[in-house]
Amino acid sequence: AQSVTQLGSHVSVSEGALVLLRCNYSSSVPPYLFWYVQYPNQGLQLLLKYTSAATLVKGINGFEAEFKKSETSFHLTKPSAHMSDAAEYFCAVSETGALTFGSGTRLQVQP
Amino acid sequence: DTGVSQDPRHKITKRGQNVTFRCDPISEHNRLYWYRQTLGQGPEFLTYFQNEAQLEKSRLLSDRFSAERPKGSFSTLEIQRTEQGDSAMYLCASSVGAGGVETQYFGPGTRLLVL
Repeated sequence: AQSVTQLGSHVSVSEGALVLLRCNYSSSVPPYLFWYVQYPNQGLQLLLKYTSAATLVKGINGFEAEFKKSETSFHLTKPSAHMSDAAEYFCAVSETGALTFGSGTRLQVQP
Repeated sequence: DTGVSQDPRHKITKRGQNVTFRCDPISEHNRLYWYRQTLGQGPEFLTYFQNEAQLEKSRLLSDRFSAERPKGSFSTLEIQRTEQGDSAMYLCASSVGAGGVETQYFGPGTRLLVL
């Protein structure tokens, strides 16, 4: 069975600082991995996804994530946080279609 | 707007009543998913359709829940004899393709409150 663990339910960074949101997964087969962002009162929006083509995946809004099989990790990073990045971020894994989400990390960006 | 739409956006009901939610996917998307999200948690998978066929149901989907996608376009999710524990955000997503790699596009959700 597939599962996702997101370490840290809340992360606070200063504007301009590095953003690092952690995600570890468990899957019985090579997985597809996703990061979604949810702004208040809005639907989930895809940031990026790993499909085995490349281990370093670049997404929208300057975010990127690196797939590390040996560590079963897919951490999300952004070099410089912006106030507009404040939102809830979800890591998800899929084997055949249905997504299994982590519990989410709320990112706060301090001015 | 050509995204996924859901109706209603909010629903308040009394315990024991039946409720039905509708999801209209992006045109030509063959897969349609239903998820449930409670406060402070990530979405949990409920069920999905490929065209009109319901291919998978989560064990979370008790016999009080039923979903349909009669013509392979819109879908409905019905909850019978609602309980307070059913209070949650119900999310719909659609995608094109198969195999798990495709991007799922989410609707804004229907927030259900059972009193």
